[in-house]
Amino acid sequence: EPEVTQTPSHQVTQMGQEVILRCVPISNHLYFYWYRQILGQKVEFLVSFYNNEISEKSEIFDDQFSVERPDGSNFTLKIRSTKLEDSAMYFCASSEAELLSDEQYFGPGTRLTVT
Amino acid sequence: SQELEQSPQSLIVQEGKNLTINCTSSKTLYGLYWYKQKYGEGLIFLMMLQKGGEEKSHEKITAKLDEKKQQSSLHITASQPSHAGIYLCGADKLVTSSGTSYGKLTFGQGTILTVHP
Repeated sequence: EPEVTQTPSHQVTQMGQEVILRCVPISNHLYFYWYRQILGQKVEFLVSFYNNEISEKSEIFDDQFSVERPDGSNFTLKIRSTKLEDSAMYFCASSEAELLSDEQYFGPGTRLTVT
Repeated sequence: SQELEQSPQSLIVQEGKNLTINCTSSKTLYGLYWYKQKYGEGLIFLMMLQKGGEEKSHEKITAKLDEKKQQSSLHITASQPSHAGIYLCGADKLVTSSGTSYGKLTFGQGTILTVHP
């Protein structure tokens, strides 16, 4: 069964460093998403991406964050100058179509720890 | 913004017992998703409901969306230790005033289910 994959599974970085979280969505999917979950809190939407551009972003997704689809398979989330409060699980998701007609498949997540 | 409240926040049951988890929205739900998450892991899709009064079942799990489309319930029959985990409901964003919908999910805080053998 096709699945969304994410690398690395765990990333430790020092405050102020840049990190890139990688995702490989399901191959025929066209819509891509990043969510994050701070320990003990809700899963929060960060950004959605379609047709090589951002469809929507939350207020969390400020200038520190960027997304990119550098090739036909990868979807990345870059966090510039990480802060302690960026420590969280980051989930990538993809869907074949916009919601209301299709399910959104989630990856296993990358645990980011900023020290 | 769409707010989802889940109840109970946690649930401990004996294996074999039935249980229900509720998800209540402050606004009309246009798409309601149920996911299961094991601690520290990804979200596993369970079911999606769209129509008022809709009910779906998969193995021993049944999800319903009420007629008013503001509340959903997830019912597990004859629970097993494998059902343990965190159950999340998520709502698709409402159609905006411009008529455009976005594929963004807003989640409830989750219900932690423990099943004792």
